[in-house]
Amino acid sequence: EPEVTQTPSHQVTQMGQEVILRCVPISNHLYFYWYRQILGQKVEFLVSFYNNEISEKSEIFDDQFSVERPDGSNFTLKIRSTKLEDSAMYFCASVWTGPYGYTFGSGTRLTVV
Amino acid sequence: AQTVTQSQPEMSVQEAETVTLSCTYDTSENNYYLFWYKQPPSRQMILVIRQEAYKQQNATENRFSVNFQKAAKSFSLKISDSQLGDTAMYFCAFMKPDQGGSEKLVFGKGTKLTVNP
Repeated sequence: EPEVTQTPSHQVTQMGQEVILRCVPISNHLYFYWYRQILGQKVEFLVSFYNNEISEKSEIFDDQFSVERPDGSNFTLKIRSTKLEDSAMYFCASVWTGPYGYTFGSGTRLTVV
Repeated sequence: AQTVTQSQPEMSVQEAETVTLSCTYDTSENNYYLFWYKQPPSRQMILVIRQEAYKQQNATENRFSVNFQKAAKSFSLKISDSQLGDTAMYFCAFMKPDQGGSEKLVFGKGTKLTVNP
């Protein structure tokens, strides 16, 4: 069964540093998402991406965040200047069609120290 | 905006018994989808079951079934013959269909289920 691959599985970074979280979606999927889960809390939507542009973003997704699909396969989330409160699990999801095709990656645990 | 409420932060059940997890939601939409996701200690998000709001029949997947009450905006998950591998966080989620390129999931806070031997 096709998988969504996220790398790294765990990243530790210094506050103020830039991080890039990487995702390889399923090849024929069209919609891509990032979600965040602060430890012990609910999963929150960050951003959706379709046709090479952001289709929706949440209040969490401020100017410190950006997404891109640089080479048609990878889908990346960049945090420009990390804060302690960015420490969370970040999930990428790749979707063929929303109600039936959501596939989540295994997540990247980001720890900001 | 849609909201999803899971009122049971933690539950436990004996192996082989049945447990029901509660979920309520708030929406003004008529057409939408509801999901239950399982998150084991590995943190992977695994789809358990989905329900289309336009279907009156409750969805069933093996030992997992839902009780969908559209008027009451209630969507509970029943796990029959509980197994140790069912121990996990369970998240209820709502999705509004959107042709504009964003069909995001709105999650509840989750219920931590422990299956005891």
